Amino acid sequence: ETGVTQSPTHLIKTRGQQVTLRCSSQSGHNTVSWYQQALGQGPQFIFQYYREEENGRGNFPPRFSGLQFPNYSSELNVNALELDDSALYLCASSLYGQSYEQYFGPGTRLTVT
Amino acid sequence: AQTVTQSQPEMSVQEAETVTLSCTYDTSESDYYLFWYKQPPSRQMILVIRQEAYKQQNATENRFSVNFQKAAKSFSLKISDSQLGDAAMYFCAYRSEETSYDKVIFGPGTSLSVIP
Repeated sequence: ETGVTQSPTHLIKTRGQQVTLRCSSQSGHNTVSWYQQALGQGPQFIFQYYREEENGRGNFPPRFSGLQFPNYSSELNVNALELDDSALYLCASSLYGQSYEQYFGPGTRLTVT
Repeated sequence: AQTVTQSQPEMSVQEAETVTLSCTYDTSESDYYLFWYKQPPSRQMILVIRQEAYKQQNATENRFSVNFQKAAKSFSLKISDSQLGDAAMYFCAYRSEETSYDKVIFGPGTSLSVIP
């Protein structure tokens, strides 16, 4: 059984650019959630994907978007990067409706300069 | 909207001693889950323990136990026989059972240091 993996580990971007972060879910899981964790804070829910569609979203603007693929892996895309987007981005996978068994990846550290 | 509060930004404990981390939450819902997650310097968020709100019995996982007070909306974590590997950020988290998606709300975290 493979765990949740994320790529890349670290990323540096310039304000105004676009970025794509990737997540492979744990074997057997069909739901992926994305979280943003600013330095010194708890993670904040961005959105969740199930059956290749967004089925729930937190308080994030539309320039945060995502995709889920038939193999349940997922991408997080952020357009028009701002300095405040600098954070650790975590993805978590689970079976739909069972986030009490949610497993997190190691995260991608994004720095926007 | 639900909120989770952790009033202790930092805590320390002597190795082999017991420490309690505090968490309070605010919700108008009756069905939910509460969690404690551990995030070591490696950044990987690890589930330590979970509690279903409908269960009156406090959850226990080896050296980790909780004190769940539903009426007071309090959910503390007790770590017994603390070990050096317990040093990490600890996050209290809430998940509603009354939404169609799995949104987990995290508190701001408590940084736990273990003194040899």
